[in-house]
Amino acid sequence: ETVLTQSPATLSMSPGERATLSCRASQSVRSYLAWYQQKPGQAPRLLIYDASNRATGIPARFSGSGSGTDFTLTISSLEPEDFAVYYCQERSNWPLYTFGQGTKLEIK
Amino acid sequence: QVQLLESGPGLVKPSQTLSLTCTVSGGSISSGGYYWTWIRQLPGKGLEWIGNIYYSGSTYYNPSLKSRVTISVDTSKNQFSLKLSSVTAADTAVYYCARGGTTVTYFDYWGQGTLVTVSS
Repeated sequence: ETVLTQSPATLSMSPGERATLSCRASQSVRSYLAWYQQKPGQAPRLLIYDASNRATGIPARFSGSGSGTDFTLTISSLEPEDFAVYYCQERSNWPLYTFGQGTKLEIK
Repeated sequence: QVQLLESGPGLVKPSQTLSLTCTVSGGSISSGGYYWTWIRQLPGKGLEWIGNIYYSGSTYYNPSLKSRVTISVDTSKNQFSLKLSSVTAADTAVYYCARGGTTVTYFDYWGQGTLVTVSS
């Protein structure tokens, strides 16, 4: 089973700053990594799929990079609505899906 | 626009069976190409994949829950369902249904989620 480790657990930043979130896999997942945003009381929303592709309707300030075991989600300039919890997810060992434990992005 | 909506009891007694249904609108389960999925989120915790079903009835379960999980599909109603047996307080969670893909590795549409509490 692939384990996804997200860091940091909590990231305190201010609007307008650049945020960098990390997801590390215990074994290669090639480029099959997705990122989700979850706000309180809401379902997760797909942001990025296949490591670097933005989902429909996702603003350009969100970008993803990486392959193999190391992945990054970057938010170029934080907007107030971006403060949320972010999860990475993979499916390298079909049909099993795993999620990271999440990074909480909070307002500093 | 595909929409998913979970329904079912919000309170289940320990040792009983949790039963939830997901109704899909804006698209047909029978069209193929998708895995219809259940995911849960324990209180204050991350996300756990429970299992998938294809419209044909093929199922795939998380090994950690496999002995207690049954997922079924009713294409005539455009619904799929989850049954989790012998529940304990540790099964208290928000349960989501979602759409995955046979050729993709992510979930693009999610239901709003429903909280199920296991308590006597």
